[in-house]
Formats: sequence, structure tokens, C-alpha cells
Amino acid sequence: GAVVSQHPSRVICKSGTSVKIECRSLDFQATTMFWYRQFPKQSLMLMATSNEGSKATYEQGVEKDKFLINHASLTLSTLTVTSAHPEDSSFYICSAQAVDSIKTQYFGPGTRLLVL
Amino acid sequence: AQSVTQLDSQVPVFEEAPVELRCNYSSSVSVYLFWYVQYPNQGLQLLLKYLSGSTLVKGINGFEAEFNKSQTSFHLRKPSVHISDTAEYFCAVNRNTGGFKTIFGAGTRLFVKA
Repeated sequence: GAVVSQHPSRVICKSGTSVKIECRSLDFQATTMFWYRQFPKQSLMLMATSNEGSKATYEQGVEKDKFLINHASLTLSTLTVTSAHPEDSSFYICSAQAVDSIKTQYFGPGTRLLVL
Repeated sequence: AQSVTQLDSQVPVFEEAPVELRCNYSSSVSVYLFWYVQYPNQGLQLLLKYLSGSTLVKGINGFEAEFNKSQTSFHLRKPSVHISDTAEYFCAVNRNTGGFKTIFGAGTRLFVKA
């Protein structure tokens, strides 16, 4: 149980285009989902926290207009990187917290974004 | 505010040897503690967690950790490692009242040699 999927697993795009990444909780409902960014050989950096049906809470220094987050249902959150640039290339990981879990996050497999 | 310190960035160890990955935290309130493992190009997988009760927590893949409140530590141990345990390990903390933000340590790279 507690499986989280991400799609796509890898994406290459041209500079200036937008990319959407989906995060789904497959066998549980998640009121809260988190989006992280991870640089090579570094820890996870929390970008934003999203709650179903409300606006995401962004961490300091994360551009809201660049990283659009939508959490339309209890099983789906999306991250859209708008007007992507090479410096946005990274590994993006989502996690979901089940309604009945105590602070335990279940992580997706990650999405590798490469912007050319 | 909470913080997590993983004292070793890399830990090389021979196969079948015991290993300990160290984690210390600081917090002014009670916390929940977690260990996650990350294999290359994958997300994080929960190894074990301490929420309350027994301070010795057993997790998957033969790992265990002990919560020591006086030393504010939550070290991860395994009595005999396998090549397949080679991965990045992250210690994490979350306050057990209010807020959901989880703080991650910098990670420890466990490298198991044959």
C-alpha cells in the first residue's frame, strides 16, 4: 500500500516551454502533497506544500509564478514548470501524506527534467 | 525550529560488516523521526519511523534505529550489510504538533564493498 506515482519519469524540453509533472497517490487519499527539488548529491529542498482544494504554500525563494502547483483532488497534484530554462533542470520529487497517517510521507519515484 | 545533522557524508563498509549511520537533531518541541533510503534515480523509501513508545524501532531490510532523547540522536544500524544496501540514506524530523513540514538531513552515502 501507500504507492505514489509520478509522470513522466524523465522529460527533455526546449528552453522557454512549459512542462507539467503529475503526482498521484494510487491507493490512498492524500490531503497534503509536497513538492521537492533535489540537486545532484544533495538533500531534498522543499518547494511547496499543497492541500487539496486550496492554494499551495511556497517556501521562501521559490517563485510561485514559475512553479505552478495544482491539487485538484485527493489523489492528484501537478507541478508545472513555466517557461523553463536550463537552470530549472533538476530531479523533482513529490510526496503525499495519507489522511490517516501520522506525519509519514510517501514519495514518488521522481521526475528528471532536462531543459536544453 | 528543527534541524537535522547527519554527521557522515559517506560511509564505506565491507559486505557483511555492521554499520551505523549517525543522525542528531535539534528541536524545542517533541518530534517524530524518520529514516529514508534513496536508490539512484529513484524517490525516497521509508525505512522506519519513531512516533512514540519503544525507543528501539525496527524497519525494513533489517535496519533498526534507536531514539535517544537525552542525546537527541536517532542513529540507524544494521548488523550485517549487503551490496544491495548501497544507497543514500536520509534522516528526517517533523514536529508532532501542528505543521507538516519535514526537515531532512544532508544525507549519508552508504557504500558497501565486496
